[in-house]
Amino acid sequence: TQLLEQSPQFLSIQEGENLTVYCNSSSVFSSLQWYRQEPGEGPVLLVTVVTGGEVKKLKRLTFQFGDARKDSSLHITAAQTGDTGLYLCAGAGSGGSYIPTFGRGTSLIVHP
Amino acid sequence: DTAVSQTPKYLVTQMGNDKSIKCEQNLGHDTMYWYKQDSKKFLKIMFSYNNKELIINETVPNRFSPKSPDKAHLNLHINSLELGDSAVYFCASSQTPATGGDYTFGSGTRLTVV
Repeated sequence: TQLLEQSPQFLSIQEGENLTVYCNSSSVFSSLQWYRQEPGEGPVLLVTVVTGGEVKKLKRLTFQFGDARKDSSLHITAAQTGDTGLYLCAGAGSGGSYIPTFGRGTSLIVHP
Repeated sequence: DTAVSQTPKYLVTQMGNDKSIKCEQNLGHDTMYWYKQDSKKFLKIMFSYNNKELIINETVPNRFSPKSPDKAHLNLHINSLELGDSAVYFCASSQTPATGGDYTFGSGTRLTVV
């Protein structure tokens, strides 16, 4: 079974601060997705990365796929209260399985 | 219009009962899924259907039975509910089961077994 480790598990910061969330595995993935989940809702896809070393930006969010396609990071610049939520990474394509395996998530709280 | 809709949103029931959760997607996707999210927020795949056919059936008790009447619907029936079945169940869909397929999730059904 693939295992995706996310760190930190919890993060509580003030508005305006920067933060980085990490997603690590010993498995190589064909693709990796990041989702954000708000309370009482399902996860919403933020980005998919497929190429080793790939960097994608979504406004204040920067996503990077590791060169070896085993890890990824999400960096948020100048966090806002609206960024509060559970951030989940999911890797697919390892061992021939196309079903994404999810990490346990990073719970982010941004205080005003 | 809600892309992936689940009903009910909340379900409280006693041990031993049988219950169903319904899911419908209006995205025209070929593949639908059921995930279970536990109290620690871990999302685990349960079933996957592609165009009404079961293609993934992870290790779940056979008390859980999915049913797909057409490719836009995937329902989940649970027999003889147990306390450990309490969780949030998410339905999702994707265009194809290909690697990197982007999932659209429903808003979840919070099941509480008492």
